[in-house]
Amino acid sequence: DAMVIQNPRYQVTQFGKPVTLSCSQTLNHNVMYWYQQKSSQAPKLLFHYYDKDFNNEADTPDNFQSRRPNTSFCFLDIRSPGLGDAAMYLCATSRERWDPYEQYFGPGTRLTVT
Amino acid sequence: AQSVTQLGSHVSVSEGALVLLRCNYSSSVPPYLFWYVQYPNQGLQLLLKYTTGATLVKGINGFEAEFKKSETSFHLTKPSAHMSDAAEYFCAVSPNTGNQFYFGTGTSLTVIP
Repeated sequence: DAMVIQNPRYQVTQFGKPVTLSCSQTLNHNVMYWYQQKSSQAPKLLFHYYDKDFNNEADTPDNFQSRRPNTSFCFLDIRSPGLGDAAMYLCATSRERWDPYEQYFGPGTRLTVT
Repeated sequence: AQSVTQLGSHVSVSEGALVLLRCNYSSSVPPYLFWYVQYPNQGLQLLLKYTTGATLVKGINGFEAEFKKSETSFHLTKPSAHMSDAAEYFCAVSPNTGNQFYFGTGTSLTVIP
């Protein structure tokens, strides 16, 4: 049973062409996260939503935006992708924010920028 | 501030041999501790976690980890490696005041037949 779903699994975009990655969850979790993971590196948190409350990491570039229209869906928008934005993008969820609940990860979207 | 150190970015073991992946954290207060596994082109899957209670934690796929406060460590072990264990392993910590995750840089496990 898929719990955190990411579409598409592979995305190719052109330099400077806006792209949107999608994440949905069937867990009804309050918190949704977006991570960027470059080759052979640890996932890097970009931002997270607690319900509708958006929390941006201090070093996340302005080029990255996110939307959460409802509990189930969350989108990552890259306004003008650069070659350095090529990476795996992971969506994750957790039940609450102030408890040690583990994060549930989706399979990721691998973004290629040409 | 939290930090996580995984010693050894690459570990190779023979099939059937002991697996030991090291994780140390820095924190004045013991955080919550996690191990995740990532197979190629996949997301992260939780192997096990420590929050409170028994310091030896058993996870999925025969893995276990022991929280040692005196050593600020949470090393991952498996008595007998299987070919299917070949993957990237990430240690993560979360302060017990919030759910920010801090990931280590990962250890790539190779299992030699």
